[in-house]
Amino acid sequence: DAKTTQPTSMDCAEGRAANLPCNHSTISGNEYVYWYRQIHSQGPQYIIHGLKNNETNEMASLIITEDRKSSTLILPHATLRDTAVYYCIVRVGSGTASKLTFGTGTRLQVTL
Amino acid sequence: GAVVSQHPSRVICKSGTSVKIECRSLDFQATTMFWYRQFPKQSLMLMATSNEGSKATYEQGVEKDKFLINHASLTLSTLTVTSAHPEDSSFYICSVQYGDGYTFGSGTRLTVV
Repeated sequence: DAKTTQPTSMDCAEGRAANLPCNHSTISGNEYVYWYRQIHSQGPQYIIHGLKNNETNEMASLIITEDRKSSTLILPHATLRDTAVYYCIVRVGSGTASKLTFGTGTRLQVTL
Repeated sequence: GAVVSQHPSRVICKSGTSVKIECRSLDFQATTMFWYRQFPKQSLMLMATSNEGSKATYEQGVEKDKFLINHASLTLSTLTVTSAHPEDSSFYICSVQYGDGYTFGSGTRLTVV
């Protein structure tokens, strides 16, 4: 299984961009990168996912390096509500045989 | 994405009793659902993959006779914690797979006293 490595915690000032890095050096060519976040005592919330191209949606941008060994999640204008644990996940398998295995995540603290 | 309802949100039970947690996919017929467990200040741990109409696939180290999973319809999967003990107290979360997407329930906090 491809594993991910993330910093344990990060701080970000409100209104600034939050850049959350993730290393996945053993990723295989057909494995997707997913990002979820979890606010205390809630279920994880989907943010974004991608394979090799950069992706953007209303929540965030996902930048994947050309060799796909790392990626960065960008929250363009962090707010206090973005304080959460952010999980970078490499999906194992495909179709109905796939699953998401969570790593330790990054605890992002957004401050005034 | 799929809309997922998990029930109950909290449950307290006595040691030795069984507890059933439900996970419903409200707007999507889900062939595959997942069950996770999360202890305080830890990450989510995948317990098992629930497949509609067939037996669940359990992760290594998870006791299938203790954590009974039933996925009898495309909209409902249940997790039953049998003969619960205080060490089973945890946050249990289900997830529904829809294509390449995965939606999570809001979780069930189980406390065994």
